Parts: sequence; structure tokens; C-alpha cells
Amino acid sequence: QSVLTQPPSVSGAPGQRVIISCTGSSSNIGAHYEVHWYQQLPGKAPKLLLYGNSFRPSGVPDRFSGSKSGTSASLAITGLQAEDEADYYCQSFDNNFSEVFGTGTRVTVL
Amino acid sequence: EVQLEESGGGLVQPGGSLRLSCAASGFTVRDYWIHWVRQAPATGLLWVARINGDGSLSNYAVSMRGQLAISKDNAKNTVSLQMNGLRADDTAIYYCVRDRGGSAYDLWGRGTMVTVSS
Repeated sequence: QSVLTQPPSVSGAPGQRVIISCTGSSSNIGAHYEVHWYQQLPGKAPKLLLYGNSFRPSGVPDRFSGSKSGTSASLAITGLQAEDEADYYCQSFDNNFSEVFGTGTRVTVL
Repeated sequence: EVQLEESGGGLVQPGGSLRLSCAASGFTVRDYWIHWVRQAPATGLLWVARINGDGSLSNYAVSMRGQLAISKDNAKNTVSLQMNGLRADDTAIYYCVRDRGGSAYDLWGRGTMVTVSS
């Protein structure tokens, strides 16, 4: 059961900027827990894209950025590339001691 | 090479049991929380369970509490997930993941498929 809501899909032309929202509640994102983001390419395991709301692991391009405010977070991809076509998931912690994921967003490069 | 490798998945009848294993290489599981995350076909990610470094603390998803037992063998550098009373909606790929801190999963295995069907 996902308790973080994401748009099912977003799309953009190469080079454009797209933003994926992740909406939670006062028991998870709004309780000041960190948000992490994952990228899942077709047929592959997810990969950590951002952690601690906005930090990039080594090797992740700076085209990916994150922010958090109140009960929501967002992932921005600037300079969209064909290789960015994938599913993206946000994740946080909930006051019931569960980890929670977002519903997932499919990014399509037009 | 730093990696996680799951095993133990397969076809099981409703009500049956399976024991999944996760073998770590290139690092020591004692130094990390390890979690299991599952993904049903064509759906999103769902957190299942976690265990701390020395294996003394564990937590489970509310929906699966009572069905699961997670354990860690630091000598063998492995983590296991015992699943009982399996239902059709437990059908999923089960991933073993490493927590780099703050529940950010920086290392994922390839996953093992569990199919619950008669």
C-alpha cells in the first residue's frame, strides 16, 4: 500500500525539464523524515538516484535534483535525455515504523 | 565486487512457505541495516522487512506481520526471510537491499521471483 502519491506519468522532449511530485502526509514527509528517489530502468532493479532529499550518489548526473517542502517532495530532471526514460519512485519513513514508497511515475521522452 | 544476490524464490501453493536468502559480497552485513522490498508484476515497490547490523532488531510491514521472520547470519554474511502462509497477492519479485543510512537503499540485488499459485 503506497502512501506517497506521484503522478502516473510525465513526458517531455529531449532537453526539456520535467518535475515529478511526491505527496505525503504529516506522518511521513511532513514529520521531517528524509525523502529518497530511485530510478528503475525496464527489466532492472531500482537504483538510488537521490538521498536525503537532494544529495546525489557518486555517478548520478547533476541533471537530477531534489527538494522537499512541507508534506511534499519533488524530483527535477533538467536537460532530459533518452536514457532517462524509466520509472521513478520516491521513498520516506512513516511514524508507524514502516518505510513507504511512492506510487511511481513513468517518464517518457518524446 | 560489492553486491547482493538473492535466492530461494519459486512457485509455491497458497498457504505454503518459502525461505529467501540474500548473500552479500564485497562488504559486511554486520555494518548495515538490510531490508527486503518487493514488487508485484507491473506495480510499484513495497517495503517488506528490515533487520539491523547485529540482528537484534527487526521490523515488518503491517500487511505481512505474522507471516514473516527476518534473520541475519553475520558469520556467513547472509540475510534470510522466512515467509509463511503465502497468498496469491504475495506474488512478486523480492529484492534484498542495503541501507546506507537514513533508509536510503544504495545497493540492490537482482531480485528473486516468488509465485504463489495452485
